Amino acid sequence: NAGVMQNPRHLVRRRGQEARLRCSPMKGHSHVYWYRQLPEEGLKFMVYLQKENIIDESGMPKERFSAEFPKEGPSILRIQQVVRGDSAAYFCASSPGRGLDGYTFGSGTRLTVV
Amino acid sequence: AQKITQTQPGMFVQEKEAVTLDCTYDTSDPSYGLFWYKQPSSGEMIFLIYQGSYDQQNATEGRYSLNFQKARKSANLVISASQLGDSAMYFCAMREGRRAGSYQLTFGKGTKLSVIP
Repeated sequence: NAGVMQNPRHLVRRRGQEARLRCSPMKGHSHVYWYRQLPEEGLKFMVYLQKENIIDESGMPKERFSAEFPKEGPSILRIQQVVRGDSAAYFCASSPGRGLDGYTFGSGTRLTVV
Repeated sequence: AQKITQTQPGMFVQEKEAVTLDCTYDTSDPSYGLFWYKQPSSGEMIFLIYQGSYDQQNATEGRYSLNFQKARKSANLVISASQLGDSAMYFCAMREGRRAGSYQLTFGKGTKLSVIP
């Protein structure tokens, strides 16, 4: 039973490019959460999604960031026109239902903007 | 105000000794839960231990125990018999609200633990 799969593990983008981060939840999990970890900081909640629905995006920056979790396929966190300040580790977690039972983190994607 | 405060940016401990990592929290919600995660240099987040606000006893998981002092709003992690593989960042986190509906964790800034041979 594979865990939460995030890819790529490392992503380098030039300023102004787009970054797409993918998260495949654990088997049987239909709830996905994205967190961002800036250097020397703890993780900060960004968005909570269920299949085809954004439930809570209160932690998402208002511009350039979007997330989706389609009926088929992984959840995608998309960052348009990246800037140096977007350099961070982005973690995805999944759970079988709403709430923290079975909440499991992926290994993260480290985005570097050059 | 910070919801989770970890006052020790870095800690050193001798191999085989015990170490306590501090965590204080701030919430007005009577129902909450406290988590500790380990983040080794490889970067993944590894769940260690959980304490619910209504739990009567301190949580324990192998060499990890949680010193939960509710009145002081502290939830310190105790690692006994430290091993070299314990060297990592350690994060304290909290969820607020009824467990059935809570889904968001608030993290502290972490403590970097270094185990000395």
